[in-house]
Amino acid sequence: DAMVIQNPRYQVTQFGKPVTLSCSQTLNHNVMYWYQQKSSQAPKLLFHYYDKDFNNEADTPDNFQSRRPNTSFCFLDIRSPGLGDAAMYLCATSRGIAGSTDTQYFGPGTRLTVL
Amino acid sequence: QQPVQSPQAVILREGEDAVINCSSSKALYSVHWYRQKHGEAPVFLMILLKGGEQKGHEKISASFNEKKQQSSLYLTASQLSYSGTYFCGTVDMNRDDKIIFGKGTRLHILP
Repeated sequence: DAMVIQNPRYQVTQFGKPVTLSCSQTLNHNVMYWYQQKSSQAPKLLFHYYDKDFNNEADTPDNFQSRRPNTSFCFLDIRSPGLGDAAMYLCATSRGIAGSTDTQYFGPGTRLTVL
Repeated sequence: QQPVQSPQAVILREGEDAVINCSSSKALYSVHWYRQKHGEAPVFLMILLKGGEQKGHEKISASFNEKKQQSSLYLTASQLSYSGTYFCGTVDMNRDDKIIFGKGTRLHILP
């Protein structure tokens, strides 16, 4: 059974048209992460939630926002996508923070194309 | 801050061995290893904690030398299913609440 689910798997949007990506988890984990991964590059952390506490990476553009309405769901909002935002967006969860020994479980990702 | 992985890419024949290295300029608390196949999510392989531990799972094992701030992943008698990109992720001694991933090592196994 899928533990971290992302929808949609593929998203095409137009330059400047807002888009929302969805992540849900059945693991009841405290922490949810959003990563951006461009072709042949490492996943880059955008932000994460520990429960309801939001932690933004210093270099994450303001264009990226996130919401976590409950434990199971987390959303990534891109307010005005640019061509440089085309990437795979990965959601991950863990029971505790990375400073513990907890594993991060990744979803299958959403591939975003910006036209 | 980003760990450095080497080599960048490896091509092996089935049954051959491979070593992938991961080094950091910072003192590390833990090292995480993941494998990602093309178009799929990264899949967790193992975590190594400070203390120089080694771990293994079937024919994949890893070591962590905290003094050298290095970790190595060993793939023995490689199988076709081992193909993919291997990422190491590091958590520094401040136990910062995030994993920083290296750029990855592409492994391609030929039959």
